[in-house]
Amino acid sequence: ETGVTQTPRHLVMGMTNKKSLKCEQHLGHNAMYWYKQSAKKPLELMFVYNFKEQTENNSVPSRFSPECPNSSHLFLHLHTLQPEDSALYLCASSQVKQGNQPQHFGDGTRLSIL
Amino acid sequence: DQQVKQNSPSLSVQEGRISILNCDYTNSMFDYFLWYKKYPAEGPTFLISISSIKDKNEDGRFTVFLNKSAKHLSLHIVPSQPGDSAVYFCAASVQGGSEKLVFGKGTKLTVNP
Repeated sequence: ETGVTQTPRHLVMGMTNKKSLKCEQHLGHNAMYWYKQSAKKPLELMFVYNFKEQTENNSVPSRFSPECPNSSHLFLHLHTLQPEDSALYLCASSQVKQGNQPQHFGDGTRLSIL
Repeated sequence: DQQVKQNSPSLSVQEGRISILNCDYTNSMFDYFLWYKKYPAEGPTFLISISSIKDKNEDGRFTVFLNKSAKHLSLHIVPSQPGDSAVYFCAASVQGGSEKLVFGKGTKLTVNP
């Protein structure tokens, strides 16, 4: 039990489908993140939400749309994805305050685009 | 251009011996460094961190060393155990902004019984 839960764990979708990834954290943190991990590449930060406000969009294409309704929940809405978007999508959370705090990750959603 | 580099994709050690995982960085503004461990089908798990005001941090079998002049950090695991077999990621952030972590590609550690 990591304290950060992601659903679904696996998702296969066509390029014209619309789907959403869900993340929930039970750690009382105030910041949440989406990362992408492609094969043989480092984890890439996609979005940062701090107190429900988006503070970082790392040049992510608009076919990825994040939503953070409260500090415990984070969604990634997917629409018209491309085959190169197949990857492991990881959610993380942390307590942002004075001083450094580590991020805690969920187990990820393995996404495959047909 | 990769700001955090783990140049060894894999490392194999014998149980009971020391494992040394290395990480180099290029951005001199990085001031917070972390190591994560990842098992297959699981997310990364935080292991240990170090602030740039220190050169060593120890937690049980895990010690992280930071050499700021060389822009190099290392993770020492001693003694290594088969359960330590995993992919280890180095990460860094700038100016205390731990929200924006930059990760290396990872090193796969195999500890042989």
